[in-house]
Amino acid sequence: GAVVSQHPSWVICKSGTSVKIECRSLDFQATTMFWYRQFPKQSLMLMATSNEGSKATYEQGVEKDKFLINHASLTLSTLTVTSAHPEDSSFYICSARGDWSTDTQYFGPGTRLTVL
Amino acid sequence: GNSVTQMEGPVTLSEEAFLTINCTYTATGYPSLFWYVQYPGEGLQLLLKATKADDKGSNKGFEATYRKETTSFHLEKGSVQVSDSAVYFCALVSPGGYNKLIFGAGTRLAVHP
Repeated sequence: GAVVSQHPSWVICKSGTSVKIECRSLDFQATTMFWYRQFPKQSLMLMATSNEGSKATYEQGVEKDKFLINHASLTLSTLTVTSAHPEDSSFYICSARGDWSTDTQYFGPGTRLTVL
Repeated sequence: GNSVTQMEGPVTLSEEAFLTINCTYTATGYPSLFWYVQYPGEGLQLLLKATKADDKGSNKGFEATYRKETTSFHLEKGSVQVSDSAVYFCALVSPGGYNKLIFGAGTRLAVHP
């Protein structure tokens, strides 16, 4: 149980284009989903927290207009990197939490974004 | 503020050696503590967790004990395998912290035959 998937697993795009990454909880309903960014050989940096049906809460320094997050249902959240540039190239990982009573997050396998 | 400090890697061991990866934390209140593992090119997998003092989390031969007196949650395994090679992250969730995970920097483990 507690499986989280991400799609795509990797994507290469041209500078200036937008890329959408999907995060799905496959066997549970996720009241909260988190989006992280990980640079090579570094730890995870929390970008934003999203609760189903409400606006995402972004961490300080994360541009909300550049990283659009939608959490339209209890099993799906999307991250759209708008007008991507090479410096946006990174490994993006989502996680999901089942309900308010648990503090355990389950992570997706990650999406590697390369912007040319 | 809340933070997690892990021993720097990489840690290089021979197969069947004993593993310890140190983790200490700073937090207000009584946080929940976690170890996550990341295999190359993959996301994080929950390895084990402990939610209160003196709890011992264990999974796949790994274990860690929540020590409030030393604010530590060291990861141990008695006999490592090549397949244990990965990056290990210690993390905490602080009560009242909106369930945000705070990660340590990660410790890379390489196990050789």
